[in-house]
Amino acid sequence: GQQLNQSPQSMFIQEGEDVSMNCTSSSIFNTWLWYKQDPGEGPVLLIALYKAGELTSNGRLTAQFGITRKDSFLNISASIPSDVGIYFCAGPGGNAGNMLTFGGGTRLMVKP
Amino acid sequence: DGGITQSPKYLFRKEGQNVTLSCEQNLNHDAMYWYRQDPGQGLRLIYYSQIVNDFQKGDIAEGYSVSREKKESFPLTVTSAQKNPTAFYLCASSRGQDGTDTQYFGPGTRLTVL
Repeated sequence: GQQLNQSPQSMFIQEGEDVSMNCTSSSIFNTWLWYKQDPGEGPVLLIALYKAGELTSNGRLTAQFGITRKDSFLNISASIPSDVGIYFCAGPGGNAGNMLTFGGGTRLMVKP
Repeated sequence: DGGITQSPKYLFRKEGQNVTLSCEQNLNHDAMYWYRQDPGQGLRLIYYSQIVNDFQKGDIAEGYSVSREKKESFPLTVTSAQKNPTAFYLCASSRGQDGTDTQYFGPGTRLTVL
């Protein structure tokens, strides 16, 4: 089945720094979703991307749908302590029919 | 408020016992999903249902069972056949029957088997 590889696996940064993480696939995706999971909670959708080359912002978050359709990037500007959590990318495709496949996540830790 | 609820938040069971996790949604979504999350790992699909009275196995269905008698409800039973049931379980739903629709998640249930 298709796999999504996220990097880095974890990041420990200082408050105020910008953050960049990415997600790559060996197959073409037509949709990219970015979720954030707070500790002990369910993931919450941050940004959805539907078109190659698309650049979408949500407050301090910006995500891009790669031109090759095999990657996506998420950037967080001026990080704050509440940005702590696990960030997942997701896209359609996988072993079980055409369900969403999730990346392994990037764990972000922010030092005040 | 519209949303997905899971109960309980924390659940403890003895080894060998079956346990059922609740998931309810009032979003009028057709599709519902169950995922398992282990520490430091991503989400793995257990079962999904695209319509009432129908469900399909996901990537790791062994040791689990589900039912979908009502559109709003998709309970998951962790049976004694599941060899390593301790995990964080997440329920999700999406509007359409296409599995590629955006999924919205519940708050999760942390199951610990003693």
